Amino acid sequence: DVVMTQSPLSLPVTLGQPASISCRSSQSLVHSDGNTYLNWFQQRPGQSPRRLIYKVSNRDSGVPDRFSGSGSGTDFTLKIGRVEAEDVGVYYCMQGTHWPPVTFGPGTKVDIK
Amino acid sequence: EVQLVESGGGLVKPGGSLRLSCAASGFTIINAWMSWVRQAPGKGLEWVGRIKSKTDGGTTDYAAPVKGRFTISRDDSKNTLYLQMNSLKTEDTAVYYCTTLRMTSFSDYWGQGTLVTVSS
Repeated sequence: DVVMTQSPLSLPVTLGQPASISCRSSQSLVHSDGNTYLNWFQQRPGQSPRRLIYKVSNRDSGVPDRFSGSGSGTDFTLKIGRVEAEDVGVYYCMQGTHWPPVTFGPGTKVDIK
Repeated sequence: EVQLVESGGGLVKPGGSLRLSCAASGFTIINAWMSWVRQAPGKGLEWVGRIKSKTDGGTTDYAAPVKGRFTISRDDSKNTLYLQMNSLKTEDTAVYYCTTLRMTSFSDYWGQGTLVTVSS
């Protein structure tokens, strides 16, 4: 199974400042069809997960453009341009290239300093 | 408005069984591959299993910890997904989410979750 790791696991940020979360996979996430199936999810306190990014860098409808995804192969990054209070929560990366099984990263908890 | 509404959670003793349902509204699941994802209290997300659409064979896949104990099924006429959980263990205690868990540009949907507690 593909193992997903994230760093940091905890990220205190100052409002208005940028934030960056790293995600690494134990093997390349490039699918045989040429796509890379790496998603990012946000889970606000007390809420269900919500997909923010699919296929590395594509933002879902309604996701603010301060969120951006990048990366390739085994190394990926989620960036928040300027953190707002509503961004507090846990962020997960997830690979869908080598499934089953789908595997998630352990999550990065973002809170305000 | 699209909604996925899970039900059927509750308290069950180790070794017991429970059946979760996920009723979809605002979109039809008939062409969707559907998954269950769980989250133990204070922990991260764990994929449980998925069922393909009937047009893609309707087959199922499961995570190793639940294989042989859990069964996913679907009733497209009722727009509903199910998770039959047998031989439950304390480590199955979690909130169970029903989701489309899509990898492409199609919108991705999640339910609000239903809590399953396995305890004596």
